[in-house]
Amino acid sequence: QVQMVESGGGVVQPGRSLRLSCVASGFTFSSYAIHWVRQAPGKGLEWVAVMSYDGTNKYYAEVLQGRITISRDNSKNTLFLQMNSLREEDTAIYYCARGGATTLLSAFDIWGQGTMVTVSS
Amino acid sequence: AIRMTQSPSSFSASTGDRVTITCRASQDISSYLAWYQQKPGKAPRLLIYTASTLQSGVPPRFSGSGSGTAFTLTITSLQSEDFATYYCLHYYSHPWTFGQGTKVEIK
Repeated sequence: QVQMVESGGGVVQPGRSLRLSCVASGFTFSSYAIHWVRQAPGKGLEWVAVMSYDGTNKYYAEVLQGRITISRDNSKNTLFLQMNSLREEDTAIYYCARGGATTLLSAFDIWGQGTMVTVSS
Repeated sequence: AIRMTQSPSSFSASTGDRVTITCRASQDISSYLAWYQQKPGKAPRLLIYTASTLQSGVPPRFSGSGSGTAFTLTITSLQSEDFATYYCLHYYSHPWTFGQGTKVEIK
């Protein structure tokens, strides 16, 4: 079935790095934009980043610009989020979510179950 | 960045009630608006996209309306499984932004 599975979360000290992965199955991964969205404990949803279906376009939330890098490997149906210089306020569940087919202007229709990132000394 | 403001932030309702949640955009977003339902410990679930189109598999008691800057999500005859937090999302342009959420609790 159509699904997305995140991994790579964990407990990390402030200032360290982490790389999250999102593996998709059940659809043509290379045809879709994929987003990262995060949710701090007890808080609302916050959009983080997006990469277009072919990797040519990428956008980041201003609050994270310069500390994160989104990438994808269409041959492995996988999206990545490299997170550097982590801060305690980055503590959140990180979800990947499917965007539009060949367009960025689309709702996010399929979500993974999320991976928890905890930044703490 | 476009700001999305939901109201109310939370409210209590009873099974069978008709409920309406409002989302306002700080600028015109045409119909590039989606609604999500989230239950504790779960990922968000898409309910409505392009402001009024029901996602496949979503019960018809959910409906959306609006365009431009004002949008509503309506649930006719609230069911027990509908008690959750609801978010709007605009996807008109970068950066994509969510409303702050509306928690629907049992009265």
